[in-house]
Amino acid sequence: EIVMTQSPATLSVSPGERATLSCRASQSVNTNLAWYQQKPGQAPRLLIYGASTRATGIPARFSGSGSGTEFTLTISSLQSEDFAVYYCQQYNNWPPLTFGGGTKVEIK
Amino acid sequence: QVQLVQSGAEVKKPGASVKVSCKASGSTFTTYAMHWVRQAPGQRLEWMGRINAGNGNTKYSQKFQGRVTITRDTSASIAYMELSSLRSEDTAVYYCARGGSVYYYMDVWGKGTTVTVSS
Repeated sequence: EIVMTQSPATLSVSPGERATLSCRASQSVNTNLAWYQQKPGQAPRLLIYGASTRATGIPARFSGSGSGTEFTLTISSLQSEDFAVYYCQQYNNWPPLTFGGGTKVEIK
Repeated sequence: QVQLVQSGAEVKKPGASVKVSCKASGSTFTTYAMHWVRQAPGQRLEWMGRINAGNGNTKYSQKFQGRVTITRDTSASIAYMELSSLRSEDTAVYYCARGGSVYYYMDVWGKGTTVTVSS
């Protein structure tokens, strides 16, 4: 099973600032990686797939990069609606599909 | 607009089974797959399994093998997840999420169904 590790667990950022979130896989997942955003009491929402392709309707301030075992989600200028928990998910080797533990982006 | 509408909250006793439904609308049901993902309070998302809605093929997480069954009714565009031998650790929000036949991320999610297991 591929283990996904996200860091940091919590990121405190001021509105308008840049946020950089990391996701590491225990073995290569190529670019078969997705990012999701989850707000309290809501279902996750797909942001990025293929490590760097934005899903339909996702603003350009969200960008993904990386391949192999190291991945980054960048939010270029945080808006109030971006404060949430972000999860990465690998879909290279499955079953099982596996998720990271999440990074909570909170207001500084 | 694609929507996944899940059944309502459930309260079950240990040892019982629960069956959660997920009705899809706005897209051709049989051209997609349906995943089931759960989230225990304060925990990460946990993938349980997937069904190819077209041919009915299933894949499960080994963690739940033998306890989980995912089925579908193509005439009604509904997917089901049944979990048996419930224990308190199964208390969680259960989500259905659409995937593709050739892609394995989840692009549309249901709102979730809370399952509480308590004596």
